[in-house]
Amino acid sequence: TQLLEQSPQFLSIQEGENLTVYCNSSSVFSSLQWYRQEPGEGPVLLVTVVTGGEVKKLKRLTFQFGDARKDSSLHITAAQTGDTGLYLCAWRLREGNTPLVFGKGTRLSVIA
Amino acid sequence: DAGITQSPRHKVTETGTPVTLRCHQTENHRYMYWYRQDPGHGLRLIHYSYGVKDTDKGEVSDGYSVSRSKTEDFLLTLESATSSQTSVYFCASSDAGYGYTFGSGTRLTVV
Repeated sequence: TQLLEQSPQFLSIQEGENLTVYCNSSSVFSSLQWYRQEPGEGPVLLVTVVTGGEVKKLKRLTFQFGDARKDSSLHITAAQTGDTGLYLCAWRLREGNTPLVFGKGTRLSVIA
Repeated sequence: DAGITQSPRHKVTETGTPVTLRCHQTENHRYMYWYRQDPGHGLRLIHYSYGVKDTDKGEVSDGYSVSRSKTEDFLLTLESATSSQTSVYFCASSDAGYGYTFGSGTRLTVV
């Protein structure tokens, strides 16, 4: 099984700070998705990145796809307590509608 | 509301009993999936379906079976529950190549 590595595993920061979490693989992604999961709920899709070097913004969240399409990052500016959750990246092993493979996630805690 | 509904939300069952978890979607998505989520392992695929009566195994399919008789319903059955199947189970659906819509999960405890 090709691995999807997420780092850091845990992150605890103060409200207002900036942070970056990472998703890496030794393989090339055809596309990559980011999800956020809150306690007691299922993951919710944040973004899909497809093109190497692509940058997408969702309010205070900035997603970047590496030029070689083997890594991605999620940067949060001025974190809020509502950003607390588990951030998951996911990719498909092959193009088409093969099932997603998920990383183990980064658990973010934003403290007021 | 549109989306995915999982039932039950919580269940406690005894070792050796069969258990069926239900997933109902109103998105008219062709593809449906069952994952389990465990500490240290993340989300792992159990089974998935690419159409009515069309299913395939995932990474951790042993001890599980699925059925999909209608587009909107996807059932997961634990044939004889074991303690190692204590987990949180998530159902998801998608259209081809798009992101998933997840249910809120079923927390299953096997005692």
